[in-house]
Amino acid sequence: QSALTQPASASGSPGQSITISCTGSNSNIRLYNYVSWYQHHPGEAPKLILYDVSDRPSGVSYRFSGSKSGNTASLTISGLQAEDEADYYCSSYTSNNNTLVFGGGTRLTVL
Amino acid sequence: EVQLVESGGGLVQPGGSLRLSCAASGFTVSSNYMSWVRQAPGKGLECVSVLYSGDDTFYADSVKGRFTISRDNSKNTMYLQMNGLSAEDSAVYYCVRVGVTYYFHYWGQGTLVTVSS
Repeated sequence: QSALTQPASASGSPGQSITISCTGSNSNIRLYNYVSWYQHHPGEAPKLILYDVSDRPSGVSYRFSGSKSGNTASLTISGLQAEDEADYYCSSYTSNNNTLVFGGGTRLTVL
Repeated sequence: EVQLVESGGGLVQPGGSLRLSCAASGFTVSSNYMSWVRQAPGKGLECVSVLYSGDDTFYADSVKGRFTISRDNSKNTMYLQMNGLSAEDSAVYYCVRVGVTYYFHYWGQGTLVTVSS
């Protein structure tokens, strides 16, 4: 059981926008702005796409954006492209053991 | 350029031990938070251990008492000593540099650990 809850799957058509949620608790997402998101294509290393809730590392497409409200963080991908098909994970710092936890992951299918 | 290269994975029998290494370049391991993250077959990502720059450490409950994270500053290398391995420890293990606001920034390519008789 992951400390952060994500939907197991999501799907959208090319060009559409999609939002993936990540629900935590008072010990992680609600308490800190230390939420990050990762894109993972099978067989490759995961890639950081957002950190500090909504900041994008250099080189990450503007189509990826993030937000937070209460104990839920969200990743929005706009203008879906075939290459966006991947697994997406959220992560947050947690006051439980003062460390980092992941969500269970969301498999995004581009129809 | 930041690079992380893992080694030391392989096939080991249940109850056995392995030591994973992560050779870093482009930055100083001792000045950064470092972590081992694993992904078991068909499962999600799990933060196994974190080594903070002040030598504080974190271990997931699933490995506490069996795994030890450490670094050799002279070699700019991080390690994960894994003892008492079981099938549940079979996974790809990634070496990761952690950002100052607690995000998994740079990832190695991973090393596969298989625990099987």
